[in-house]
Amino acid sequence: AQTVTQSQPEMSVQEAETVTLSCTYDTSESDYYLFWYKQPPSRQMILVIRQEAYKQQNATENRFSVNFQKAAKSFSLKISDSQLGDAAMYFCAYRSARLRFGAGTRLTVKP
Amino acid sequence: DSGVTQTPKHLITATGQRVTLRCSPRSGDLSVYWYQQSLDQGLQFLIQYYNGEERAKGNILERFSAQQFPDLHSELNLSSLELGDSALYFCASSVTGTNEKLFFGSGTQLSVL
Repeated sequence: AQTVTQSQPEMSVQEAETVTLSCTYDTSESDYYLFWYKQPPSRQMILVIRQEAYKQQNATENRFSVNFQKAAKSFSLKISDSQLGDAAMYFCAYRSARLRFGAGTRLTVKP
Repeated sequence: DSGVTQTPKHLITATGQRVTLRCSPRSGDLSVYWYQQSLDQGLQFLIQYYNGEERAKGNILERFSAQQFPDLHSELNLSSLELGDSALYFCASSVTGTNEKLFFGSGTQLSVL
């Protein structure tokens, strides 16, 4: 069974600094997708970034980028120039047949 | 706004009761997913429908059932409710139901008293 592990229950970052959230996953499949979702206090699940496993190039979306290490089954999210609005729960997710989520990392941004 | 609409936003009911949660997917999306989010279980996949047919089943209890109608909206029925069913229930949709990204609704917060 595929599992997704987020080893950091909580993280904090100073405004304008950079933070990296960790995620590892376990799978025997070669074709899959990885995602980071953000859940702010409004509880809406918002897609932050997506990575296709067959692509070697790391995905980027403005201030958000990933470090995808397929052999190590690692998929970390880097947030640059952190803003107060980045404060939220961040969920790493793996998808082949279905979308499975990690337990989440609560990110606090300090002004 | 993701384009996925869930109603109601909040629902308060008593143990033993039955409720129905409704979801309208994004225009053009054929696949609907239901997830349950609770403090102790995290985000759990319940069930997926594609164009009216059940495609995948996750950790869905026998007391729960779902369906997708010809107009592609979906309903999640929860019966014989227990205190532990209190959770945030999300609906999500995608175009084909394979590996593309999911768009989530804003959820229905269910409180069983």
